[in-house]
Amino acid sequence: DTEVTQTPKHLVMGMTNKKSLKCEQHMGHRAMYWYKQKAKKPPELMFVYSYEKLSINESVPSRFSPECPNSSLLNLHLHALQPEDSALYLCASSQDRGGDRASTGNTIYFGEGSWLTVV
Amino acid sequence: AQSVAQPEDQVNVAEGNPLTVKCTYSVSGNPYLFWYVQYPNRGLQFLLKYITGDNLVKGSYGFEAEFNKSQTSFHLKKPSALVSDSALYFCAVRLLTSGTYKYIFGTGTRLKVLA
Repeated sequence: DTEVTQTPKHLVMGMTNKKSLKCEQHMGHRAMYWYKQKAKKPPELMFVYSYEKLSINESVPSRFSPECPNSSLLNLHLHALQPEDSALYLCASSQDRGGDRASTGNTIYFGEGSWLTVV
Repeated sequence: AQSVAQPEDQVNVAEGNPLTVKCTYSVSGNPYLFWYVQYPNRGLQFLLKYITGDNLVKGSYGFEAEFNKSQTSFHLKKPSALVSDSALYFCAVRLLTSGTYKYIFGTGTRLKVLA
């Protein structure tokens, strides 16, 4: 089973709203990721969690706030977004463990994404 | 900077003909390379990966990829294209940054298979 589940599939929010995107995996993966993808563009890495700790923040604005409540769940809290933040937000997970140089190139698996529209 | 590049924005091929989608990489050390496919309004699906060993890697849906170290390439291939293969294809590389792995994607190539 290589399933990563994301909810909601679609979200429309105003610039003053607070909302959250949710992601869940039950593959025992210890690394989880948030990517942002604009139409016809590649996914851009936002955050990486390894063992439930934030390992990488790719200089993402603070209006995006990630949270990893446990090893299976990953949230992305949204507040005061701008229309240009409208995009497909992809969650992913992999077996990779931070600092484990013996890790053998594990695959990253993606969810179907959450389409976000900021109005 | 370590990266992957996909030189073609779009590739057109007739159904039944062989297809190639190109990817080159710029990575220090031994690269871990991946191919993903994305259908409209969907997430990315894993096709295949190269870690080590045989330079020809076989993956899902009849796709394969050839790793060429001297040319720093990892081209995706299929002997006979199907209309249903029409999609957006991404090459990716796994990088180690500050003790954490991250996956970086090429710009993508749109494959159109014509009936």
